[in-house]
Amino acid sequence: QKEVEQNSGPLSVPEGAIASLNCTYSDRGSQSFFWYRQYSGKSPELIMSIYSNGDKEDGRFTAQLNKASQYVSLLIRDSQPSDSATYLCAVRWDMRFGAGTRLTVKP
Amino acid sequence: DGGITQSPKYLFRKEGQNVTLSCEQNLNHDAMYWYRQDPGQGLRLIYYSQIVNDFQKGDIAEGYSVSREKKESFPLTVTSAQKNPTAFYLCASTSGQGGNSGELFFGEGSRLTVL
Repeated sequence: QKEVEQNSGPLSVPEGAIASLNCTYSDRGSQSFFWYRQYSGKSPELIMSIYSNGDKEDGRFTAQLNKASQYVSLLIRDSQPSDSATYLCAVRWDMRFGAGTRLTVKP
Repeated sequence: DGGITQSPKYLFRKEGQNVTLSCEQNLNHDAMYWYRQDPGQGLRLIYYSQIVNDFQKGDIAEGYSVSREKKESFPLTVTSAQKNPTAFYLCASTSGQGGNSGELFFGEGSRLTVL
């Protein structure tokens, strides 16, 4: 079975710090990787997608992909209390998700 | 506006009853998915369909059934065989199949409670 694993949480960081979220996957054939943010009681929303090795930046968010090591990470710079949510890693082929990491940003 | 509509948002079921959750999309997406989420947990894949009249079991298909008679619709039936059905159910869709395909678009979810 193809698996997606995320670093266990919860993760707590002070406001303004960098939050680092990690995800590993088992299927070497995977080509599409996504980070979703989910607020309590709501459906997930896409933050970043990444398809190629290296870094992809979008505002305060940076996704990093290393296919050789089979991991993908998400960095959140200048973390804000509004970033407090559960972050889900998803890997294509059949779009399985990791268990999620709950992030709390403390003012 | 294009999107995914799930209904109902809240549903209460007595033990032993089957219930059907609706999922409709007007995004012209080929692939559709059903996930279950328990409190404090991630999303677990129940069923998915990549084309009309075809679907595959996910990781927790027991006690659930689906159909895909139309491209736009992918209803999920929670049967009485599902022993612990209280959960948040999410439907999603995406264009393309496998490989380097796009993001998932989610509905707002259906919260099922067994009384």
